[in-house]
Amino acid sequence: EADIYQTPRYLVIGTGKKITLECSQTMGHDKMYWYQQDPGMELHLIHYSYGVNSTEKGDLSSESTVSRIRTEHFPLTLESARPSHTSQYLCASRVPRGSYNEQFFGPGTRLTVL
Amino acid sequence: GQQVMQIPQYQHVQEGEDFTTYCNSSTTLSNIQWYKQRPGGHPVFLIQLVKSGEVKKQKRLTFQFGEAKKNSSLHITATQTTDVGTYFCAKTSYDKVIFGPGTSLSVIP
Repeated sequence: EADIYQTPRYLVIGTGKKITLECSQTMGHDKMYWYQQDPGMELHLIHYSYGVNSTEKGDLSSESTVSRIRTEHFPLTLESARPSHTSQYLCASRVPRGSYNEQFFGPGTRLTVL
Repeated sequence: GQQVMQIPQYQHVQEGEDFTTYCNSSTTLSNIQWYKQRPGGHPVFLIQLVKSGEVKKQKRLTFQFGEAKKNSSLHITATQTTDVGTYFCAKTSYDKVIFGPGTSLSVIP
């Protein structure tokens, strides 16, 4: 089982609130990712990071922002949550090149914005 | 574009029947990965295929990579209720992993 953690697991908040979704991994992986997934639907990459102080936007435009100050920590922030942000957010990290390159996913945060 | 396509989108089978999902790309792939996501869960890596024509088995699951490295399939023999979930193929593109839309499998006991 991969050592990647996300908190909170579930979050219900009101419109306009600022929220931060936490993601941490203890595997020392340089590459980390955030995906947005609606129930039963495909995964959309919204942010990724090659390593400390590196962040890139993914294929799906998102109003969220990320930071990568430490290797193990990749938090995602929404400055002003809206109902359209209601979704599941999955964090992942990736094994370095030369091995399987598989992604390990955290358990996800289910966000509901009222 | 960079997308990978999967068919079918949904599949309902009777327990004990076989199941196959197909993944297709318009461009040659360096590799293809398969993940399984149980309802309410997160994707879990199953396997990676790299070589043209490669076939790998995991118990009742058989994974194939096409000769042209543009398509792949996952076949489950004699499905069980534990096979329920969404199966995603994914390709790597530089440092990103791009997922297909997934095939959702339901197994009727």
